[in-house]
Amino acid sequence: AQSVAQPEDQVNVAEGNPLTVKCTYSVSGNPYLFWYVQYPNRGLQFLLKYITGDNLVKGSYGFEAEFNKSQTSFHLKKPSALVSDSALYFCAVRDMKSNSGYALNFGKGTSLLVTP
Amino acid sequence: SAVISQKPSRDICQRGTSLTIQCQVDSQVTMMFWYRQQPGQSLTLIATANQGSEATYESGFVIDKFPISRPNLTFSTLTVSNMSPEDSSIYLCSAEVGYGYTFGSGTRLTVV
Repeated sequence: AQSVAQPEDQVNVAEGNPLTVKCTYSVSGNPYLFWYVQYPNRGLQFLLKYITGDNLVKGSYGFEAEFNKSQTSFHLKKPSALVSDSALYFCAVRDMKSNSGYALNFGKGTSLLVTP
Repeated sequence: SAVISQKPSRDICQRGTSLTIQCQVDSQVTMMFWYRQQPGQSLTLIATANQGSEATYESGFVIDKFPISRPNLTFSTLTVSNMSPEDSSIYLCSAEVGYGYTFGSGTRLTVV
């Protein structure tokens, strides 16, 4: 089955510094990869996705991610963190099991804390 | 992109009762998905709902506990039956639109 791993439970960064939230994947074939953010008491918000094409994907709120096939990674990055970026971040991969209708499989999530 | 309206947004229920969660999509979608997010955990797929056929359940989830309806291409319901405190979670619906996925705002369920 397609899966993703987020090795960090929490990432702490000072406001204004660059941030990275890590994600690695394990798939057969070409992966469809996604990043979502979840703010407290709110649903999931889409940030960006990689389907094909340019390995550097730009998304919402200044976030970007780089698809690295050799390292099987899809790390989320932002050049300058904001306190308002503090939230729970999920990496996800589209499953290729047809009997599950190509649902998303999620990583465990990484809590990002940006301090002033 | 599609927008999903999910309700209720939260509920507190007595053990042994059932709760039905509704999701309405503003466009027609083939597949809808139901997830559970237990406190402090990631999202776990409960089942996939395709219009006109029975839902497909993931390992560990059964139809008697989580019956799903998908009467048309814009609507689905998930019922959490005979609830126990262990069912306290956030339940989210999702739809695939093109190669993207949109999510409802979630239902925060507390069983007492």
